[in-house]
Amino acid sequence: AQSVTQLGSHVSVSEGALVLLRCNYSSSVPPYLFWYVQYPNQGLQLLLKYTSAATLVKGINGFEAEFKKSETSFHLTKPSAHMSDAAEYFCAVSETGGYNKLIFGAGTRLAVHP
Amino acid sequence: DAGITQSPRYKITETGRQVTLMCHQTWSHSYMFWYRQDLGHGLRLIYYSAAADITDKGEVPDGYVVSRSKTENFPLTLESATRSQTSVYFCASSDGGRAINEQFFGPGTRLTVL
Repeated sequence: AQSVTQLGSHVSVSEGALVLLRCNYSSSVPPYLFWYVQYPNQGLQLLLKYTSAATLVKGINGFEAEFKKSETSFHLTKPSAHMSDAAEYFCAVSETGGYNKLIFGAGTRLAVHP
Repeated sequence: DAGITQSPRYKITETGRQVTLMCHQTWSHSYMFWYRQDLGHGLRLIYYSAAADITDKGEVPDGYVVSRSKTENFPLTLESATRSQTSVYFCASSDGGRAINEQFFGPGTRLTVL
């Protein structure tokens, strides 16, 4: 069965510091992987997705993620945090060849301090 | 309004009452989804629909009923609300059923069951 684990329910960084949000997945077949962001009182917005075309995926707002099959990971990074990056981030997995059902991680709330 | 909308945005009800949450999308997407968001669980799929008059259960369907008579609407009904159904509910849509398809989320409905 598919599952997603996000390490750290809360992450706090200083403005300008590196952002690293961790995601590990479990899937019996090659997966598609997604990162969504949720700003306060809003719905989820797609940041980026991995579809096997390239292991390093660039998304919106300067975020990127690297697919590492050997580590079953898809960590999200941004070189320099902005105050506007404060939000909740969700990693999700969907099986290739399968129906469009997303399995979400529990989420990581990112706080950015001046 | 273009996009995907949910109503009401906030709802307080009492145990045992019937509640219907509305979801409307203007893209003519064939697939629609209902999720609930709870602390520590991320988002969990309640029901999904591949087209008008085609619906199926997700991970946590008990206590919920859906219908889809028109492509653009996908209401979710709690037939007899319970406190455990206090949650934030998100509707989403996608233009295909393949695992690669992005899901677009509405702003959510915050439901409190007293």
